[in-house]
Amino acid sequence: DIQMTQSPSILSASLGDRVTITCRASENINRWLAWYQQRPGKAPKLLIYTASSLESGVPSRFSGSGYGTEFTLTINSLQPGDVASYYCQHYHIYPWTFGQGTRVEIK
Amino acid sequence: QQQLVQSGPEVKKPGTSVKISCKASEFKFGSTVMQWVRQARGQRPEWIGWIVAGSDRTKYAPTFQERVSLTTDMSTKTAYMDLSSLRSEDTAVYFCADGSGSLGHWGQGTLVTVSS
Repeated sequence: DIQMTQSPSILSASLGDRVTITCRASENINRWLAWYQQRPGKAPKLLIYTASSLESGVPSRFSGSGYGTEFTLTINSLQPGDVASYYCQHYHIYPWTFGQGTRVEIK
Repeated sequence: QQQLVQSGPEVKKPGTSVKISCKASEFKFGSTVMQWVRQARGQRPEWIGWIVAGSDRTKYAPTFQERVSLTTDMSTKTAYMDLSSLRSEDTAVYFCADGSGSLGHWGQGTLVTVSS
């Protein structure tokens, strides 16, 4: 199975900050990567697909980049509503797997 | 906009089975790829498998291959996940979602508790 590793596990930042989350795959997954936001007690919400495509309705302060084994999710100008856990997921080969998550908090 | 509404929480004994439903609101349900994912408390999501609505085309994660069955009912636009031989480690929230890679719309989740 492809292992997905995110860093950091917890990220504490101030409102208005730019924050970056990294996701590394244990092997090449091309651009077959998605990012999700999950608020406590809720289902995950798709933010980014194919590494850098913004899902319809998602604010443009979210962006994704990367190819192969290293990917990033960037949140420009952190807002109170961005407090959540963020997960990456590959869909290159079966079984699809998720990263362990990054919890974003307000400092 | 697609909405997925799942059935309510379940409490099951070890060794039994559970069947969860996921009703879709979209007029076009046929050929939709319905995914199932579970998430234990405090853990990362875990992909279970998918089914193409209206067909018998399925794909299961090896971890669940022997114990899971995904089906759909086109007359009610409902997807089902049946998981057998339950054990305590299966305690989790189970989600349905749609999409053929990235998962665009999600159900609200169904808590399955396995306890003797």
